Amino acid sequence: GNSVTQMEGPVTLSEEAFLTINCTYTATGYPSLFWYVQYPGEGLQLLLKATKADDKGSNKGFEATYRKETTSFHLEKGSVQVSDSAVYFCALSLTQGGSEKLVFGKGTKLTVNP
Amino acid sequence: ETGVTQSPTHLIKTRGQQVTLRCSSQSGHNTVSWYQQALGQGPQFIFQYYREEENGRGNFPPRFSGLQFPNYSSELNVNALELDDSALYLCASSFDRGQTYEQYFGPGTRLTVT
Repeated sequence: GNSVTQMEGPVTLSEEAFLTINCTYTATGYPSLFWYVQYPGEGLQLLLKATKADDKGSNKGFEATYRKETTSFHLEKGSVQVSDSAVYFCALSLTQGGSEKLVFGKGTKLTVNP
Repeated sequence: ETGVTQSPTHLIKTRGQQVTLRCSSQSGHNTVSWYQQALGQGPQFIFQYYREEENGRGNFPPRFSGLQFPNYSSELNVNALELDDSALYLCASSFDRGQTYEQYFGPGTRLTVT
């Protein structure tokens, strides 16, 4: 079946540290891949996406590269800020029978300390 | 441009009761998807509506049902509530169906079943 596995948290970093959150997927077909962020008490916001192999998604200093050979889409940021504290979800999107749905990982909670 | 809105924000129901959650899609969007997010988990796809027709369903029982109206707003109905239905219910709208179209999420409705 289709699934997403992401590294379990919580992750605690100091401001300006390097961030990596690992994400691997299993899918039939050719999914699009996404990272969503959820701030406390809010819904999900799209952080970045990649729609085909070797694409790099980037936004607000975050990056992730669609690696088909390793079925991975790891999230990275060179220097995190306190305001990056949130829960991060890796997701894939597949169109099946005309319906497009997102399949999410369990989420990784990031806390950045000043 | 008005974003995705959901109502109510919070709801407390008793086991066995029925509940209706509402979602207004973003202007110009004709596709609405509903997700259930249990505490500490990633969202799970319930179903999707495209132009007032159900357009795909996840692994949820028939007591989860929905509607989409001509203005593309949507309702999620849950009958015979169970304790495990306690979760954050997220609505997402997109310009059209298909994985190339970004899904925009609302803030969610927090349902507690006692």
